[in-house]
Amino acid sequence: DADVTQTPRNRITKTGKRIMLECSQTKGHDRMYWYRQDPGLGLRLIYYSFDVKDINKGEISDGYSVSRQAQAKFSLSLESAIPNQTALYFCATSDPRDRGREKLFFGSGTQLSVL
Amino acid sequence: DQQVKQNSPSLSVQEGRISILNCDYTNSMFDYFLWYKKYPAEGPTFLISISSIKDKNEDGRFTVFLNKSAKHLSLHIVPSQPGDSAVYFCAARAGNKLVFGAGTILRVKS
Repeated sequence: DADVTQTPRNRITKTGKRIMLECSQTKGHDRMYWYRQDPGLGLRLIYYSFDVKDINKGEISDGYSVSRQAQAKFSLSLESAIPNQTALYFCATSDPRDRGREKLFFGSGTQLSVL
Repeated sequence: DQQVKQNSPSLSVQEGRISILNCDYTNSMFDYFLWYKKYPAEGPTFLISISSIKDKNEDGRFTVFLNKSAKHLSLHIVPSQPGDSAVYFCAARAGNKLVFGAGTILRVKS
């Protein structure tokens, strides 16, 4: 079983719809992240959370919101989806106690298409 | 403004030869650098890292070199194998955040 699980793997939605991408982890890590990948732009940070009561904006948080329901769960919402939010979305975790705490563990990704 | 740049979108190498992937950065506050590898339909996985106080780190076939004066990072894979074919992302840390490059597609031909 995957340590970091994202659902759904693929999603097609229409402009203006609200959607939620979910992430759960069994690694026991406190830190969780949401990234999006676009061709030619690499991975960009949307939101991150260092514990259940901590939520921080990343570099491209506009149009997104998150919820940290538990240590193991971190969901990303698009309140009103628009076509330029079409991208591959990744959830990741890290352990601050790890000497290499920059080492992120990624899920397999959610391919989102907004029509 | 991209702080971490991978200027080569793709690279093709013959099996057994050396692969060299390059990365340039602009922010002198970056203190830790990492390489991630990504296969299709999978998330990126950590490959190797280097602290800014070092200029080289080696792990098996993979070696990362850091030239701070040039703000340049490179990943050497020797010898290259077909299973190394993937997208490679360079990343740099500033504070609590990682900044990623756009990635380089490596194809190793057998």
